[in-house]
Amino acid sequence: AQKITQTQPGMFVQEKEAVTLDCTYDTSDPSYGLFWYKQPSSGEMIFLIYQGSYDQQNATEGRYSLNFQKARKSANLVISASQLGDSAMYFCAMRVDNQGGKLIFGQGTELSVKP
Amino acid sequence: EAGVAQSPRYKIIEKRQSVAFWCNPISGHATLYWYQQILGQGPKLLIQFQNNGVVDDSQLPKDRFSAERLKGVDSTLKIQPAKLEDSAVYLCASSLRTGTGGTGELFFGEGSRLTVL
Repeated sequence: AQKITQTQPGMFVQEKEAVTLDCTYDTSDPSYGLFWYKQPSSGEMIFLIYQGSYDQQNATEGRYSLNFQKARKSANLVISASQLGDSAMYFCAMRVDNQGGKLIFGQGTELSVKP
Repeated sequence: EAGVAQSPRYKIIEKRQSVAFWCNPISGHATLYWYQQILGQGPKLLIQFQNNGVVDDSQLPKDRFSAERLKGVDSTLKIQPAKLEDSAVYLCASSLRTGTGGTGELFFGEGSRLTVL
């Protein structure tokens, strides 16, 4: 069965420093995609970054990068130069390509950025 | 481009009452999802529509939950009768992608927060 695991319920980081949020996944299907979403206190889910299972390079989007280690089945999110506005819940999610497009989410990590 | 619209944003009901949530996806998005997010947890898929057909409703508690997307555009999720454990945020999402290729990200609405007393 497909599963996403986020083992860090909460993380603290100092403003302007980098932080890594952990995500491991489990699937036996070779074709899948990995996503990170941000959920601020307002509740809306905001898409941050995507990595396909066949992508050779790690994805980057501005201050966000995804450290994709396929053999270890991990897809950690790295946020560089943290800002106060980065304080939010962060969810890792997986889509298995032969299962209709739905996303399976992890439990989330609450990130708090300290001034 | 307008995002995913949901209403109402907040609803408080007594247990055993009924409630309905409405969702209008992004124009042109054929796939629509309803997720349930209990406080402190990640979203859990309840039902997925492709146009007006159901793709996946394996985790929908069908004895009390129902959903429809009659014209392949907007959708309604109903709970009847509600239980205390139904207190959650109900998130609607839509996407363009239905097959392989492309990012296929889901675009989410702001959610409907339900409190069952």
